[in-house]
Amino acid sequence: GESVGLHLPTLSVQEGDNSIINCAYSNSASDYFIWYKQESGKGPQFIIDIRSNMDKRQGQRVTVLLNKTVKHLSLQIAATQPGDSAVYFCAENRGGADKLIFGTGTRLQVFP
Amino acid sequence: DAGVTQSPTHLIKTRGQQVTLRCSPISGHKSVSWYQQVLGQGPQFIFQYYEKEERGRGNFPDRFSARQFPNYSSELNVNALLLGDSALYLCASSFSTGEAYNEQFFGPGTRLTVL
Repeated sequence: GESVGLHLPTLSVQEGDNSIINCAYSNSASDYFIWYKQESGKGPQFIIDIRSNMDKRQGQRVTVLLNKTVKHLSLQIAATQPGDSAVYFCAENRGGADKLIFGTGTRLQVFP
Repeated sequence: DAGVTQSPTHLIKTRGQQVTLRCSPISGHKSVSWYQQVLGQGPQFIFQYYEKEERGRGNFPDRFSARQFPNYSSELNVNALLLGDSALYLCASSFSTGEAYNEQFFGPGTRLTVL
């Protein structure tokens, strides 16, 4: 079936480096793509979203890139900090309602 | 401002029992969605409710049901519990009317363990 998946289950980066988390999706009809951060024992926290008619969107220290040609989504985190350590999920919304399809997640580990 | 709240935090049940989980949305949000997150996986959509009406349903059996109250809080009920129902149950609220995507805010979840 259709799904949103991630290339890497774990990503380890040094504090201060940039992090790139990737995600592949299969449904070209999705309207929105969203990145969530989930820390241990907490619910997912919204990071940034991007509409399907955009290629790039920037937030504070984060950038999301959408490549519809290859159905690829990425989250770039600049100057990664220890507080960025968490599991990151990409999710897609396929039009109407609040139904989100989540991937399995990538664990980001930041070491000093 | 208070975020999405859920109760209880943790719950232990045995197979065959029934469970009710509760969620209070952010003030002003009229849409509530429920997700199941099995350990090591991403959340899976169960239901969305808006103005007390079901606006979306995921691929879950009829043992799962939900309702929304006039104050927009919501309950998720699961009957005839199975071991596989053990998971973190997440509630999310948004300004959505059920017609278009709106940013969803998640609660901390209820950890259900079925023995």
